[in-house]
Amino acid sequence: KNEVEQSPQNLTAQEGEFITINCSYSVGISALHWLQQHPGGGIVSLFMLSSGKKKHGRLIATINIQEKHSSLHITASHPRDSAVYICAVTPTGNQFYFGTGTSLTVIP
Amino acid sequence: GAVVSQHPSWVICKSGTSVKIECRSLDFQATTMFWYRQFPKQSLMLMATSNEGSKATYEQGVEKDKFLINHASLTLSTLTVTSAHPEDSSFYICSAPTGAGVRNEQFFGPGTRLTVL
Repeated sequence: KNEVEQSPQNLTAQEGEFITINCSYSVGISALHWLQQHPGGGIVSLFMLSSGKKKHGRLIATINIQEKHSSLHITASHPRDSAVYICAVTPTGNQFYFGTGTSLTVIP
Repeated sequence: GAVVSQHPSWVICKSGTSVKIECRSLDFQATTMFWYRQFPKQSLMLMATSNEGSKATYEQGVEKDKFLINHASLTLSTLTVTSAHPEDSSFYICSAPTGAGVRNEQFFGPGTRLTVL
């Protein structure tokens, strides 16, 4: 049983499209993280959320604690956004539960 | 943002040898660092929490005698894969928070790809 479920697993979009990636979790959490992993393997932390909404450039992340759900939105998608997006939650202490990732490909 | 480096970026070794991977926080101090492994097409799996000046905390199912972790300074943690076998081949990644524990933003190293022949 996965504590963190992401959808979709794979996503292909045309450049310029609005993209949404969803994350549902089954445990109580102190924070939720959205990570971006590029083909070479390097990981960048995009957002850390415990409530509400955060925006950085074309990226928006929202979280609904009551529904145990978070979404990552990308506006005006671009080929350089192609990567694997990973949702991770931290319940308590130093636990870290990761989703299986969403592989995004943006076509020019 | 903060920078975390890893060395080496890739390593190939023979079965039975030991391999040491370094994780450094370049512009901040980290009393805690985290080690993960990632198999192809799978997500990250937390292996252990490295604590400066004390023993590491290992996740269930991770052999502490096989994956030795040392966090001797506030900027360096090392993971040694002892007596490596082909099934240890994986992508190993470290991260460090800028504050205390996982509740703070994590900065990830670029990863080390280990291939055991």
